[in-house]
Amino acid sequence: EAGVAQSPRYKIIEKRQSVAFWCNPISGHATLYWYQQILGQGPKLLIQFQNNGVVDDSQLPKDRFSAERLKGVDSTLKIQPAKLEDSAVYLCASSLDLVSDTEAFFGQGTRLTVV
Amino acid sequence: DAKTTQPNSMESNEEEPVHLPCNHSTISGTDYIHWYRQLPSQGPEYVIHGLTSNVNNRMASLAIAEDRKSSTLILHRATLRDAAVYYCILRDDRTSGTYKYIFGTGTRLKVLA
Repeated sequence: EAGVAQSPRYKIIEKRQSVAFWCNPISGHATLYWYQQILGQGPKLLIQFQNNGVVDDSQLPKDRFSAERLKGVDSTLKIQPAKLEDSAVYLCASSLDLVSDTEAFFGQGTRLTVV
Repeated sequence: DAKTTQPNSMESNEEEPVHLPCNHSTISGTDYIHWYRQLPSQGPEYVIHGLTSNVNNRMASLAIAEDRKSSTLILHRATLRDAAVYYCILRDDRTSGTYKYIFGTGTRLKVLA
């Protein structure tokens, strides 16, 4: 079974530039999560989708971050404009669905460096 | 959001059992206790989860206190490949129905050869 795919693996941008990350969840998984992990900290949930609808985006800095999951499959997370403090690993995860207590599968993440 | 408390770091000798503790005094009756671990430069991976009864799988065992306010992840024979950050998570579904995985800072396990 293929895992959660993320791209790119690494990205370096200058502050005030834009960047986008892509995630392809495990086939058939309805729930998709985006996390931000700053060095030395645990992952912080940014947004959670169920199919193509947003379940929770309370921690998403909406003035600069946006995410979408068109057709309820792939998802993109965008930052515009980027700040130095956005340097982090961005992790995508998926699970079978919202209510059944199954595990979440994580991708390897995209490491973003803002200079 | 439900919170968990874990030691920042622990050490173990290779081939010996490891007991990783977690306190979750504010747990609600419907919160499942999940454990994930994160190897260097990898995304977190599932280890085990449970509700009330102790659980065993091929990776580890989970011992849950009778009052559910604490739990212990048990690695029966630590190997060098078990060196990772271990996260104890309560899957939050009490108020919003969002079933979020809320990570804390975890326990960094160092395995000594």
